[in-house]
Amino acid sequence: QQPVQSPQAVILREGEDAVINCSSSKALYSVHWYRQKHGEAPVFLMILLKGGEQKGHEKISASFNEKKQQSSLYLTASQLSYSGTYFCGTARAGGGADGLTFGKGTHLIIQP
Amino acid sequence: DAGVIQSPRHEVTEMGQEVTLRCKPISGHDYLFWYRQTMMRGLELLIYFNNNVPIDDSGMPEDRFSAKMPNASFSTLKIQPSEPRDSAVYFCASRYRQGGEKLFFGSGTQLSVL
Repeated sequence: QQPVQSPQAVILREGEDAVINCSSSKALYSVHWYRQKHGEAPVFLMILLKGGEQKGHEKISASFNEKKQQSSLYLTASQLSYSGTYFCGTARAGGGADGLTFGKGTHLIIQP
Repeated sequence: DAGVIQSPRHEVTEMGQEVTLRCKPISGHDYLFWYRQTMMRGLELLIYFNNNVPIDDSGMPEDRFSAKMPNASFSTLKIQPSEPRDSAVYFCASRYRQGGEKLFFGSGTQLSVL
């Protein structure tokens, strides 16, 4: 079951904040976030395991609510380099024994 | 580390022809995944291998698609015969189980079937 991402697209000015949401109808073990720039391969951002932890790297952080099967990616004070398509990927089993199912992506455009 | 290597980068073929996509995973990685990316469906998991053994091929769309992993350093995805609706970007990704669940993607193969 493919997770649902929202919004489909967002346009921001440099310095503004953005939130990207990912939800699943199935119980999840983990949620993964990747960013893909045009014409390139997806690149790993972070993994969140069930337990509701929040992870962060500089101005990009994420949370995971396992009860609601939802995850959100937070981009604070966005930079031009944040532009791209963000994908959430979900796994229903842990230990690396499951392939990721990705959402359709959220297109993020950062304008100067 | 050279990363995941895919070839060719671009493939243009005519309907009905056989197409073979190639992937070399990162050395030491024990999982290999094939994904297909289209505007309509996004990133779809086609098949994945663990220690060269196919684990789940439920995402392979039809019998026209087949994948092999004869050894730890090489995998192929074959489409025979190809159809225009197979046009997409095909990504290979690998992962080391003991290193967490982070996927490393190759640069992809842009396939166009005319």
